Amino acid sequence: AQSVTQLDSQVPVFEEAPVELRCNYSSSVSVYLFWYVQYPNQGLQLLLKYLSGSTLVKGINGFEAEFNKSQTSFHLRKPSVHISDTAEYFCAVSDPGGTSYGKLTFGQGTILTVHP
Amino acid sequence: GAGVSQSPRYKVAKRGQDVALRCDPISGHVSLFWYQQALGQGPEFLTYFQNEAQLDKSGLPSDRFFAERPEGSVSTLKIQRTQQEDSAVYLCASSLRTGYGYTFGSGTRLTVV
Repeated sequence: AQSVTQLDSQVPVFEEAPVELRCNYSSSVSVYLFWYVQYPNQGLQLLLKYLSGSTLVKGINGFEAEFNKSQTSFHLRKPSVHISDTAEYFCAVSDPGGTSYGKLTFGQGTILTVHP
Repeated sequence: GAGVSQSPRYKVAKRGQDVALRCDPISGHVSLFWYQQALGQGPEFLTYFQNEAQLDKSGLPSDRFFAERPEGSVSTLKIQRTQQEDSAVYLCASSLRTGYGYTFGSGTRLTVV
C-alpha cells in the first residue's frame, strides 16, 4: 500500500520569506503526485500536480514542486510567501494503474503559518 | 453548478441516530469519491463511483456506512447508528477522468454527541 509522509506538521515563516514543505512517498511503481491546500472550514483546492514529463511543476499562487524519483520526494516551494498563504497543505499520491481508480492517499498535512 | 456542492455543511447527531450526507458533483463528472477527514488528519478514502457503479468500497470503516449514486450524478453517504468515532469531515470529490486530480466540495462536518 502507498503511504505519504509530510515531514513537518507545522511550519512557521515570516512574510516574504521562502518556504519549503516536504513530502516523501513510498511506492515502487509510477505515481501521480498532488499538492492540495485547505483553508479553514473549506474543502481542498488543487495547487499543482505531477503526472509525467518535466520534474519541475508550477502551480497556482506562485507555488512549485519538484518530483525526485530517486528520493521519492515531491517537495513544495514558494520563493516569497504572503499572509494569505496561511493554511494547511496536503501532499497526495495516486496510482495511475487501472485497479486503484485514481484514489488519493494523503499525508497528514502541514500547517503553514505566515507571520507579518 | 460550478463546483461540488455538499449538504448539510454541519450536522450534529445523537449517538445511535442515522444520518445522510449529500454530494452534488460537477455536471458530467464521471468519477466520484468520498473521503473521511478526522480532526488533525489527512483525508482517507472511503468509496469510489464511476457513474452509478460503486467500484471500490474498501475504505468504508464498517457495515454501518453505505453509499449510493443511483443515477450517476448525486451521491448520498449514509451512516447508520452513528458512533462518536464517526465524528469527522466528510469530503466529496469528482472528476471528468480518473486519476488526473479532483474537485473537492467544502465537506460536511459531522459531530456525534
